[in-house]
Amino acid sequence: DAGVIQSPRHEVTEMGQEVTLRCKPISGHDYLFWYRQTMMRGLELLIYFNNNVPIDDSGMPEDRFSAKMPNASFSTLKIQPSEPRDSAVYFCASLGGYNEQFFGPGTRLTVL
Amino acid sequence: GENVEQHPSTLSVQEGDSAVIKCTYSDSASNYFPWYKQELGKRPQLIIDIRSNVGEKKDQRIAVTLNKTAKHFSLHITETQPEDSAVYFCAASKRSNYQLIWGAGTKLIIKP
Repeated sequence: DAGVIQSPRHEVTEMGQEVTLRCKPISGHDYLFWYRQTMMRGLELLIYFNNNVPIDDSGMPEDRFSAKMPNASFSTLKIQPSEPRDSAVYFCASLGGYNEQFFGPGTRLTVL
Repeated sequence: GENVEQHPSTLSVQEGDSAVIKCTYSDSASNYFPWYKQELGKRPQLIIDIRSNVGEKKDQRIAVTLNKTAKHFSLHITETQPEDSAVYFCAASKRSNYQLIWGAGTKLIIKP
């Protein structure tokens, strides 16, 4: 298995633009987590899904953030409009039958 | 709410010495305690975990201990090597869901 796949790996955009981050979990994993990591705030859980259904989105910072999981092999995290304070590394992680969360390589987002 | 506190935030040890990182958790229902290692620019990866029915677990140079009564658990790394330099995160979760509550991380520096 290729592991968790995220795209793009790097994104540079201007304030006000829409940003879409993508994630493909490990096949057979039924949990998917979106995290944001910054030096100031550490690793924050934004939202997680079980069997494509959002379970807890209390970590989503504002209405500018939205996440979807239309099927078991794909999820998106969208920021619209983006702001400089959204600059961070965004990780997607998936989990199967055991408790271990497998992280993707992350997307480094820079909003100018 | 649920909380995991991690100490110290930075730990510097001489190569070959031991390192200990400590975490405390607030939710007595927590029953799973993983440790993740994140090298600079990389994704977090699980290095060892422990469940609440076990007091200690070892894997070569790393070990984790759990004190359920005191609600704290620790990571022990013996004979530290340069490749142990990284940020280490503790976390906790409970059987009812797979959501991890994360510590703030410890930056471990191995001095040559």
